[in-house]
Amino acid sequence: ETVLTQSPGTLSLSPGERATLSCRASQSITRNYLAWYQQKPGQAPRLLIHGSSNRATGIPDRFSGSGSGTDFTLTISRLEPEDFALYYCQEYGTSLGTFGPGTKVEIK
Amino acid sequence: QVQLQESGPGLVKPSETLSLTCTVSGGSVSSSVHYWGWIRQSPGKQLEWIESISYVGGTYYNPSLKSRVTISVDTSNNQFSLRLTSVTAADTAVYYCVRGRGLLGKLYFDYWGQGTLVTVSS
Repeated sequence: ETVLTQSPGTLSLSPGERATLSCRASQSITRNYLAWYQQKPGQAPRLLIHGSSNRATGIPDRFSGSGSGTDFTLTISRLEPEDFALYYCQEYGTSLGTFGPGTKVEIK
Repeated sequence: QVQLQESGPGLVKPSETLSLTCTVSGGSVSSSVHYWGWIRQSPGKQLEWIESISYVGGTYYNPSLKSRVTISVDTSNNQFSLRLTSVTAADTAVYYCVRGRGLLGKLYFDYWGQGTLVTVSS
């Protein structure tokens, strides 16, 4: 089973700043099958990125994904007030579809 | 626009069976390119994939839950369902129905229901 580690656990930033979130896998992820989701309180997760770097439909271009193998990054170029939320990565290179524990992006 | 809506009891007694149904609108559970499934989120916020099914592509289960779960599709009502037997307090979670995309059960999830809290308690 692939274990995902996300860092940092909490990221404290101000609107307009750049956010860099990390997701590290315990083994190489097949075909870079790595997705990112955003979750706000009381809401379901929303798909942001799939295939490591492909933005989902309707996702603003300030969100970008990169990485390969075991190291992946979600970057939010300039934080908007609505971007303060919880972010999860998910590997789908296996049929288990394991999720990481999440990174909380909070207002500084 | 695809929409998914969970329905079912919010309280289940220990050792009993949890049953949830997801009604799909704006899409078809008979789709040959999509999977349909369930994910749960514990009170500690960890997300856990439970199972997925494709009308044409097979069924996939999380091995840790496989002995207790069943997923089925009802094409006449455009719904799919989860059954989880012998529940314990550890099964208390928010349960989401989801649409999956990918191949051979290797899926990411592009549409989610709003989620329904199921509490296991006597």
